[in-house]
Amino acid sequence: EVHLLESGGGLVQPGGSLRLSCAASGFTFSNYAMSWVRQAPGKGLEWVATALGSGQNTYHADSVRGRFTVSRDNSKNTLSLQMSGLRAEDTAVYYCAKDGTTVGYMDVWGKGTTVTVSS
Amino acid sequence: EIVMTQSPATLSVSPGESATLSCGASQSVSINLAWYQQKPGQAPRLLIFGASTRATGIPARFSGSGSGTEFTLTISSLQSEDFAVYYCQQYHNWPPWTFGQGTKVEIK
Repeated sequence: EVHLLESGGGLVQPGGSLRLSCAASGFTFSNYAMSWVRQAPGKGLEWVATALGSGQNTYHADSVRGRFTVSRDNSKNTLSLQMSGLRAEDTAVYYCAKDGTTVGYMDVWGKGTTVTVSS
Repeated sequence: EIVMTQSPATLSVSPGESATLSCGASQSVSINLAWYQQKPGQAPRLLIFGASTRATGIPARFSGSGSGTEFTLTISSLQSEDFAVYYCQQYHNWPPWTFGQGTKVEIK
């Protein structure tokens, strides 16, 4: 069974840093792109970042570029999101998602981890 | 960036009736369009990809259609578990991957 488990969320002050992790199991991790998608309280879904299978190609939303960095460790089946310069508007549930056979649609999602940016 | 627009924002439907949700793209996305269902407090779940292909385990009452800029998700004979928020997402031109703002299907 495919399973994704996020961790690392919490309360952080504006300007602070946080590292999210996503542990994957049940599939050949290196064969699939992996993404982070967030959802602010009461709002819709927002794509944040994607790392293609090899990890050499990564993409970030304009809203986080230069502050967030997505990476993956295929030897440990782990996806990460290093977040710095956090702002109140980064407050959200962050979901880890596995892409399908075609890059871009997300066929398996984790339960999410909550990031709250507040003083 | 491709902008995805969903309508209506809220759809009130009685159990057993059908629901038709619309999703429009600001430019053609071919059939690179996915639909997701999200219930309160839960992660999104993939329903449809490739505009019309049901994901594994998705009941046949969910169907997707369309291509280019106009797409539809139809839920026939709504069950109690179908009341949720539905999002469309394009993956034709990326980055960024973009979602619609969502349609809430509520009990009438």
